[in-house]
Amino acid sequence: GAVVSQHPSWVICKSGTSVKIECRSLDFQATTMFWYRQFPKQSLMLMATSNEGSKATYEQGVEKDKFLINHASLTLSTLTVTSAHPEDSSFYICSARNPGLAGGALDEQFFGPGTRLTVL
Amino acid sequence: GESVGLHLPTLSVQEGDNSIINCAYSNSASDYFIWYKQESGKGPQFIIDIRSNMDKRQGQRVTVLLNKTVKHLSLQIAATQPGDSAVYFCAENLPPSGGGADGLTFGKGTHLIIQP
Repeated sequence: GAVVSQHPSWVICKSGTSVKIECRSLDFQATTMFWYRQFPKQSLMLMATSNEGSKATYEQGVEKDKFLINHASLTLSTLTVTSAHPEDSSFYICSARNPGLAGGALDEQFFGPGTRLTVL
Repeated sequence: GESVGLHLPTLSVQEGDNSIINCAYSNSASDYFIWYKQESGKGPQFIIDIRSNMDKRQGQRVTVLLNKTVKHLSLQIAATQPGDSAVYFCAENLPPSGGGADGLTFGKGTHLIIQP
C-alpha cells in the first residue's frame, strides 16, 4: 500500500504565531501532494496543489502568502500557516498521488491522518 | 461553487441491511470518481473508485454505480456493519489540464448511522 503521514497530529497555538505542518509519503515518492482543509461537519476543500521542485498552485480564495507550501523533496511537503488566527482553526489534511503503485489508479490519492489546528 | 453534492446528510440503517448513499455531480468533464469513508478525527479512507467509461464497479461488500446521463453516483454497502458508521464522501476529479495534476472536489458528505 501507500502510506502518508502528517506531523503533528494536533497543535494549539496563540494567535499571531506561525505553525508548520508536515506531510510525508512513507513508502513511495510523490511528485504531487495536495492540501485540504476541513471545518467541523463540513467537507474537504482543496487549498493547493504542491509540486515537487516548483511553486504550489493555490485554489481561488486561498491566500498564498498566508499558507506557505514547500515541496522540497519527493517525500515531503510542508504547509506553514503564517500569523495564525482563530478563524484558521481547522482540520488540515494532505494527500499524495502514487503513480508507481502497481495495479493502482494513476489518479488515486492517499490521504494522511490530518492535523487538528486550534488557534487561541 | 461546489460542483459535487449529496442528497441526504444523514442516513440511518439497521445493522445487516444494505445502505445506499447518493451523490450528484455537476461537471460533466469529470472522468474519475471516488468514494471515501471518514471516521471522526481521521483522514479520508479510500473505499472504491470508478472511471467515467464504466457504469458499475464492485468491491468487497461495496458497489459504486455511475449514471453519466443524470450525473449521479451512488455507493451501495451490503450487509451494513457497526464498523461502517462514518461520514462518506464522494469526490470527483477532472482530467488534468496543461499537464498539471488537479485535486479532488468533494461532496458535502453523508453521515451513515448503523442501528443495532
